[in-house]
Amino acid sequence: SQTIHQWPATLVQPVGSPLSLECTVEGTSNPNLYWYRQAAGRGLQLLFYSVGIGQISSEVPQNLSASRPQDRQFILSSKKLLLSDSGFYLCAWSGVSYNEQFFGPGTRLTVL
Amino acid sequence: EDKVVQSPLSLVVHEGDTVTLNCSYEVTNFRSLLWYKQEKKAPTFLFMLTSSGIEKKSGRLSSILDKKELFSILNITATQTGDSAVYLCAANAGNNRKLIWGLGTSLAVNP
Repeated sequence: SQTIHQWPATLVQPVGSPLSLECTVEGTSNPNLYWYRQAAGRGLQLLFYSVGIGQISSEVPQNLSASRPQDRQFILSSKKLLLSDSGFYLCAWSGVSYNEQFFGPGTRLTVL
Repeated sequence: EDKVVQSPLSLVVHEGDTVTLNCSYEVTNFRSLLWYKQEKKAPTFLFMLTSSGIEKKSGRLSSILDKKELFSILNITATQTGDSAVYLCAANAGNNRKLIWGLGTSLAVNP
């Protein structure tokens, strides 16, 4: 069966510091991968998605970037965090049908 | 512009009540409608609906899609405190690889 891992679970970072969140998927090949952010009381905002190694589509221009160095690995990064980057970051995967997405456990990021 | 609207945004009921959550959508090249449940963690998948009038059911939860009127409902019968969560609805527009998400309905079930 497929599983999706995210780490860390919780992160507190100072403004201006770098960020690296990692997501890995097991039990499937060539998944579509997604990064979402969810602010408190808000819906899911799609940040990036990837259909293959090195292929990244950005949905919202902002302070973040994403990379996919391996088939089942998706990384979210920032060079300098802003206060507004605080939120709940979710990684998700879907199969070739692009229908249902399955989410990782998420990372709660607080920028102080 | 593609959009998904959920209503109500928030709902408080007593244990044992039946609730109906609504999701309307306007998306180009609609492909499917998905429901998720989110407690204080990541969303978990509930249902995917692709055809009108065919009910999907899992225990006390059921959902149906109306592709003519562009909406779906999620029913929960005999609610329990464990049903308290945010219920998210999303539409898959076939021409792209993204889901269009609603803001969710926050359901609180009081004992």
